[in-house]
Amino acid sequence: DAKTTQPPSMDCAEGRAANLPCNHSTISGNEYVYWYRQIHSQGPQYIIHGLKNNETNEMASLIITEDRKSSTLILPHATLRDTAVYYCIVRVGRGSTLGRLYFGRGTQLTVWP
Amino acid sequence: EAGVAQSPRYKIIEKRQSVAFWCNPISGHATLYWYQQILGQGPKLLIQFQNNGVVDDSQLPKDRFSAERLKGVDSTLKIQPAKLEDSAVYLCASSLEGRGVDFGNGTRLTVT
Repeated sequence: DAKTTQPPSMDCAEGRAANLPCNHSTISGNEYVYWYRQIHSQGPQYIIHGLKNNETNEMASLIITEDRKSSTLILPHATLRDTAVYYCIVRVGRGSTLGRLYFGRGTQLTVWP
Repeated sequence: EAGVAQSPRYKIIEKRQSVAFWCNPISGHATLYWYQQILGQGPKLLIQFQNNGVVDDSQLPKDRFSAERLKGVDSTLKIQPAKLEDSAVYLCASSLEGRGVDFGNGTRLTVT
């Protein structure tokens, strides 16, 4: 029941910015956009989330369009360790508290030397 | 802080056998989730607990899968009897009110 659309794969040169797009055209006003990534043989790892304003943390930046129908995750200086599957998720439920995560197939990002 | 702990890390069983997975969430996290991740797909939610009560088990195949969370802390997920299509990684996750969801590294189940 994923409510997002992502490209299946992307690649990026080490040291360059990786820009991962996500479409969520049916997002509701109280639904947040979350990004997780999953490195091989590990569980998903939280990256960042936002409602309507752009967000930045030590890992990445999240740019959400004004109509909230799409977003872009930016890894400013990709490293080989950023090679992973990246999931864009719309979090449903009451606010951002008890809402559960519905994963799609994500984007396989490969960072090459 | 310690992360979400799961055991075992790997399990191989024959079809029609039973298996159980254990999860210890992050201390203080009231919400606990079990996800199933089939190779090449994203994780799929099986069941969600709030403390020791079930919030959502609509995707849990109840004829063979069961889960419990005694005393609102640790949780176990059981499959009995297992089928070939149950081969997957079983992920446990937990969350605190107003925070993101933290995942364990999962149990990889192979049913032969």
